[in-house]
Amino acid sequence: NAGVMQNPRHLVRRRGQEARLRCSPMKGHSHVYWYRQLPEEGLKFMVYLQKENIIDESGMPKERFSAEFPKEGPSILRIQQVVRGDSAAYFCASSPEGRATYTEAFFGQGTRLTVV
Amino acid sequence: RKEVEQDPGPFNVPEGATVAFNCTYSNSASQSFFWYRQDCRKEPKLLMSVYSSGNEDGRFTAQLNRASQYISLLIRDSKLSDSATYLCVVGYSGGYQKVTFGTGTKLQVIP
Repeated sequence: NAGVMQNPRHLVRRRGQEARLRCSPMKGHSHVYWYRQLPEEGLKFMVYLQKENIIDESGMPKERFSAEFPKEGPSILRIQQVVRGDSAAYFCASSPEGRATYTEAFFGQGTRLTVV
Repeated sequence: RKEVEQDPGPFNVPEGATVAFNCTYSNSASQSFFWYRQDCRKEPKLLMSVYSSGNEDGRFTAQLNRASQYISLLIRDSKLSDSATYLCVVGYSGGYQKVTFGTGTKLQVIP
């Protein structure tokens, strides 16, 4: 049973380009959370999704950032027109179907975005 | 005031020592508490949940003090492999279990 898979592991983008980060949850998990971790800082919640639904996006910046979790395929975190301040590690976590209990959330290895 | 506050450290301790971390939280409605471990440039992993009665897992003991709104993690007989950042996580149910991560406490165990 594969864990939470994130790709790419490392992503380099020039300022103004778009970044697409993918997260495939564990088998049987239908809840996905995205977090951002700036260097030397803690994890900051961005968005919580279930299949085809955004449940809580209170942590998402109002502009340039969007997330989706389609019926088929991975969850995507999309950052348009990236800026240097977007450089961070982006972690995805998933938890089982039918329960949003955090005890059972597992993290992917993260995508490290560097904006040059 | 931050929702979840931790001393960032670093805590430098010799092998075999006992070390304790505290974490304070501001939301009195918080219902769930966890300690996560994060190794350098890796993903966080659940270390243990924290229960009202306190709980122990091997060399690790977690305690919750609701009156003072803090949780603690005690590590006995520290090993070199315990070197990591320990994240305090506090949650409450607002329709779903919403959690807030502390910024973490860095532990370095020295030979």
